[in-house]
Amino acid sequence: DSGVTQTPKHLITATGQRVTLRCSPRSGDLSVYWYQQSLDQGLQFLIQYYNGEERAKGNILERFSAQQFPDLHSELNLSSLELGDSALYFCASSGGGSWRETQYFGPGTRLLVL
Amino acid sequence: DQQVKQNSPSLSVQEGRISILNCDYTNSMFDYFLWYKKYPAEGPTFLISISSIKDKNEDGRFTVFLNKSAKHLSLHIVPSQPGDSAVYFCAARAYNTDKLIFGTGTRLQVFP
Repeated sequence: DSGVTQTPKHLITATGQRVTLRCSPRSGDLSVYWYQQSLDQGLQFLIQYYNGEERAKGNILERFSAQQFPDLHSELNLSSLELGDSALYFCASSGGGSWRETQYFGPGTRLLVL
Repeated sequence: DQQVKQNSPSLSVQEGRISILNCDYTNSMFDYFLWYKKYPAEGPTFLISISSIKDKNEDGRFTVFLNKSAKHLSLHIVPSQPGDSAVYFCAARAYNTDKLIFGTGTRLQVFP
């Protein structure tokens, strides 16, 4: 158990819909990262938040957005969903004090868009 | 453009033998490399890392080798155990950034 929790574990929705994925980092961790893993692909970095502020951005689509709340949990919002958005979405956290810190991953949310 | 490549999607090794997983990268700005292990229905778990100032790092049965001139790293598992059966991801990070760039993974199967 990494200490990072993600809800829900599974999500099935239709094209055009909007969903919200939630992540709670390990206790004390300030940084939260979101990754997407599509079929047969590596994990693609989407976005990072540090203590409530956006810190780094990857190849995140404009239809996707994220935020980190004062209690440090984070939400990833996916809107106008397309079939190709079906993937595993992982959240990771780290202390955030040093860029060399290990990132600890949650179990992921499996999104299926029909 | 895949900056971190794991060209072998799968590897099968007998228990007790050595497992060698390979990873190539293209970005010369990468200076920190990690291996993660992933079991089904779980998130990736950190295994071992290496800084570009080193060419080897060892942790128990796991050793990572880095060849900077070839932009190549490898993970050696000796001896391999059935519990090592998982997908192994290589990841890289450029200086002064938290962003990890992952390879596509190698599925290792260790059979008795």
